[in-house]
Amino acid sequence: NAGVTQTPKFRVLKTGQSMTLLCAQDMNHEYMYWYRQDPGMGLRLIHYSVGEGTTAKGEVPDGYNVSRLKKQNFLLGLESAAPSQTSVYFCASSEPGRNTEAFFGQGTRLTVV
Amino acid sequence: GESVGLHLPTLSVQEGDNSIINCAYSNSASDYFIWYKQESGKGPQFIIDIRSNMDKRQGQRVTVLLNKTVKHLSLQIAATQPGDSAVYFCAEIFSGGYNKLIFGAGTRLAVHP
Repeated sequence: NAGVTQTPKFRVLKTGQSMTLLCAQDMNHEYMYWYRQDPGMGLRLIHYSVGEGTTAKGEVPDGYNVSRLKKQNFLLGLESAAPSQTSVYFCASSEPGRNTEAFFGQGTRLTVV
Repeated sequence: GESVGLHLPTLSVQEGDNSIINCAYSNSASDYFIWYKQESGKGPQFIIDIRSNMDKRQGQRVTVLLNKTVKHLSLQIAATQPGDSAVYFCAEIFSGGYNKLIFGAGTRLAVHP
């Protein structure tokens, strides 16, 4: 059981570069989420999706875009990376009837220099 | 605005003692309150949830208490073990807001032998 898989696990970007973080889940979950976690802080919701083809803004969406073209994948894009986007990014998925129990990936550590 | 926060950033306990981790919330419209555990280098893991119309729920060695009068949530861990050492997050679900899962800042639990 793979669960939720994030790629890559680590990445260093230069300011202004772009990249896409991939999240894949094999549990057939409807809901998927992208969070960022900064040192000593909780997880802040960037964007989320309640089903294939749908996305919605979370608490801190600026500077990020997402796409959910396939149910099992949720992509997070940074068009022009900034040092303020240095963080650990977590993807999660859940089912509508059990959406309190989200399953998280291992995280992607992104550094923007 | 909506917020979920914690009273204590760090809690140190002796192995075998009971632990109590507290959380304050501001939004009374949440349907569920949840506790997650995050071990170092890993994504958060679901522990237990409680519906907003309940005041207590028990799991295996854990109990969650909800006091809606003072907007307070707590997690009690019985007979704390070294494996319980982690950061604990409270979170809440707003079903009226597209089922967003919003996290608080976290409390680190350190268990000493």
